[in-house]
Amino acid sequence: AQTVTQSQPEMSVQEAETVTLSCTYDTSESNYYLFWYKQPPSRQMILVIRQEAYKQQNATENRFSVNFQKAAKSFSLKISDSQLGDTAMYFCAFRGTSGSRLTFGEGTQLTVNP
Amino acid sequence: ETGVTQSPTHLIKTRGQQVTLRCSSQSGHNTVSWYQQALGQGPQFIFQYYREEENGRGNFPPRFSGLQFPNYSSELNVNALELDDSALYLCASSWDLTTSYEQYFGPGTRLTVT
Repeated sequence: AQTVTQSQPEMSVQEAETVTLSCTYDTSESNYYLFWYKQPPSRQMILVIRQEAYKQQNATENRFSVNFQKAAKSFSLKISDSQLGDTAMYFCAFRGTSGSRLTFGEGTQLTVNP
Repeated sequence: ETGVTQSPTHLIKTRGQQVTLRCSSQSGHNTVSWYQQALGQGPQFIFQYYREEENGRGNFPPRFSGLQFPNYSSELNVNALELDDSALYLCASSWDLTTSYEQYFGPGTRLTVT
């Protein structure tokens, strides 16, 4: 079974600064997908960024980028130029190649301060 | 806006009662998954339906059951409600089981069991 661990329950950052959220996972599969989801107070789970394990290049989406270390089973999210609207709970999630079941971490509550 | 809707938004039930939660997927999405998110935790996979058949189940008892209909709607039924069933219930739809990496989440139904 896969497990996903987020060791930072809460983090805060000043507006316009950079913050990194950590995630580690455990799996015996060689090919899989990793995701970061954002869940604001509205509860809507929003996909922030994804990474295919077979791709060595780290994914980037505007201000969001990941540092994917496959050997270390580490998948961190970097948010640059933080904005007040980035305040939310962030979840790291794993998906294997059979079915579309997602395994989530416990989440990191990020607060962006003005 | 993901195009996935859920009803009702909030629901209060008494222990021992039965509840039905509803989800309307995006048109064309053949796969729907249900997740339970307890307060302050990450979502936990309940089960998944593909083309109206159950295709994978998490560690939930049989009193959690589901249905998927040809019109891209689905239901989550919970019998003999327990206090620990109080949670946010999320549904997520995707095109199919394996080739589509992205799941589109609905806004959730908040269930309170008293």
